[in-house]
Amino acid sequence: AQRVTQPEKLLSVFKGAPVELKCNYSYSGSPELFWYVQYSRQRLQLLLRHISRESIKGFTADLNKGETSFHLKKPFAQEEDSAMYYCALSGGYQKVTFGTGTKLQVIP
Amino acid sequence: EPEVTQTPSHQVTQMGQEVILRCVPISNHLYFYWYRQILGQKVEFLVSFYNNEISEKSEIFDDQFSVERPDGSNFTLKIRSTKLEDSAMYFCASSASLGEQFFGPGTRLTVL
Repeated sequence: AQRVTQPEKLLSVFKGAPVELKCNYSYSGSPELFWYVQYSRQRLQLLLRHISRESIKGFTADLNKGETSFHLKKPFAQEEDSAMYYCALSGGYQKVTFGTGTKLQVIP
Repeated sequence: EPEVTQTPSHQVTQMGQEVILRCVPISNHLYFYWYRQILGQKVEFLVSFYNNEISEKSEIFDDQFSVERPDGSNFTLKIRSTKLEDSAMYFCASSASLGEQFFGPGTRLTVL
């Protein structure tokens, strides 16, 4: 079974502070991991995926297979980063399993 | 930039009624999906569709649910006899291949 855990429902940080959104997963094979973001009143959109290893809007995430984690990080939070963030996993088939999401609130 | 579209944005129905949620995936995509999100809960996979047939479905997707691609552009989710617990946001998604899925804006279904 594939499972994604996001332990924090809400994360509040001040503008300019570092951000780390936690994600742990459970999957027996080699998963593909994603971070999706949903800004207020907008659709879910892909933020980044582990295989591309790129930084989007200053965010990065490294897949740690030993700790089965895929934490999302940004060194300096901006107000426009306030949104819901979902960690997601695909086992190579079509189904994507989402975590419960973390609401990031950046305080000006 | 092409986007997945969904209609209606909000559907209100009486318990026991049939509803059809409509989606227009991105035109060159081959894989189509439905997800739902009950208020305050996580996004849950319902079904995936490829090559004119269901390729994967979750335990949520029981006999009350069906999907169809009636023509070359639409992808529909039908709920035969709605229950109160079907109230949720329903998201359609599409992808060109296995990997990044592009989501529609969602249809909010309210069952009274």
